[in-house]
Amino acid sequence: DAKTTQPTSMDCAEGRAANLPCNHSTISGNEYVYWYRQIHSQGPQYIIHGLKNNETNEMASLIITEDRKSSTLILPHATLRDTAVYYCIVTGSARQLTFGSGTQLTVLP
Amino acid sequence: NAGVTQTPKFQVLKTGQSMTLQCAQDMNHNSMYWYRQDPGMGLRLIYYSASEGTTDKGEVPNGYNVSRLNKREFSLRLESAAPSQTSVYFCASTTRDPRGVSYEQYFGPGTRLTVT
Repeated sequence: DAKTTQPTSMDCAEGRAANLPCNHSTISGNEYVYWYRQIHSQGPQYIIHGLKNNETNEMASLIITEDRKSSTLILPHATLRDTAVYYCIVTGSARQLTFGSGTQLTVLP
Repeated sequence: NAGVTQTPKFQVLKTGQSMTLQCAQDMNHNSMYWYRQDPGMGLRLIYYSASEGTTDKGEVPNGYNVSRLNKREFSLRLESAAPSQTSVYFCASTTRDPRGVSYEQYFGPGTRLTVT
């Protein structure tokens, strides 16, 4: 699976969009980009995944660059409950999710 | 629909003791997983079961055994607990779409294990 690089931490004002970047320059053609988050002490929660097209669901949007070497998770209107560690995972087989250290997103009131 | 359930929620063991962590899912998922998460770290895969009757090692299998009892249940056993196995253990399950790409993994609430 391709390695991912994420910032260690980010802050966002409540009500504003949170944009979380992820670099995955060694991604191969059959690998998907997955995003999960983990709110303190809880089990991780799936957010979204994509291959090459941008994706949107009720929680977030995923923007993947044309060369697929990076992506951005967008939470359109962050709330305090979105404070969590966000993991960007690249894998060709979602049976093998490798969780790195992720980005600690803190939503500020 | 309870999703993924894990028992117990908390456990303290002494070095050398054994125990089994239980996991069950009611979503009719084919694949199930066991992860561990040490303080300040991401999750690491211990074992997984792609389907009923099969199990495979993950990244950190040493010191653990698993049993896929049926489609619903996947247990993790520590035969002789060591302080290095102090961690939070998460169970997860998923199913695969027709292309063979798994969708999201659903996680249980975790078991907090301390080995003294």
